[in-house]
Amino acid sequence: EDQVTQSPEALRLQEGESSSLNCSYTVSGLRGLFWYRQDPGKGPEFLFTLYSAGEEKEKERLKATLTKKESFLHITAPKPEDSATYLCAVQVYNFNKFYFGSGTKLNVKP
Amino acid sequence: DAGITQSPRHKVTETGTPVTLRCHQTENHRYMYWYRQDPGHGLRLIHYSYGVKDTDKGEVSDGYSVSRSKTEDFLLTLESATSSQTSVYFCAISEGTGYYGYTFGSGTRLTVV
Repeated sequence: EDQVTQSPEALRLQEGESSSLNCSYTVSGLRGLFWYRQDPGKGPEFLFTLYSAGEEKEKERLKATLTKKESFLHITAPKPEDSATYLCAVQVYNFNKFYFGSGTKLNVKP
Repeated sequence: DAGITQSPRHKVTETGTPVTLRCHQTENHRYMYWYRQDPGHGLRLIHYSYGVKDTDKGEVSDGYSVSRSKTEDFLLTLESATSSQTSVYFCAISEGTGYYGYTFGSGTRLTVV
């Protein structure tokens, strides 16, 4: 059964304290892995797509990596404005099959 | 949420009544989607559309119907609302089949009492 699991569910960091969020997946025929950021009361905002194992993408303090079984979202020296829920999703080769994880709620304290 | 709007933003309705949520886009994207988001479940696909009058079911489609008579509008109808349909509903659009990610609306918070 296709499945996407994110951990931890919640993460509290001090400003400047780097850490990583995990997204593990079991799907047949991965087409792409996606990271989104969601602020309270808003829709998810697209961050990255990773297509193949070994690929990395960066945006400001965020860096996403992909292996054959999981993806990591590394947050370097986070700031309070990075506080949000981060969602990962996988798309399989079956048309329009997207599976979202439940998200990691990140809270960065000043 | 440039190019995609959902209405209403909030709605409270009674059990057994029909409810219609609207998604409007100005991007001329072919693909449109309705998701629901519930704590512990993540986002789950209800229905999607790949063109005018072309729609298909997602993983949680029971109790919902959709219509798309124009490229820009995708309607989600709860035929007879139940308390289990209390949720936040998101519309999303994509240029292709989502390979470059989705653009989401701001959501509709629906409460069924």
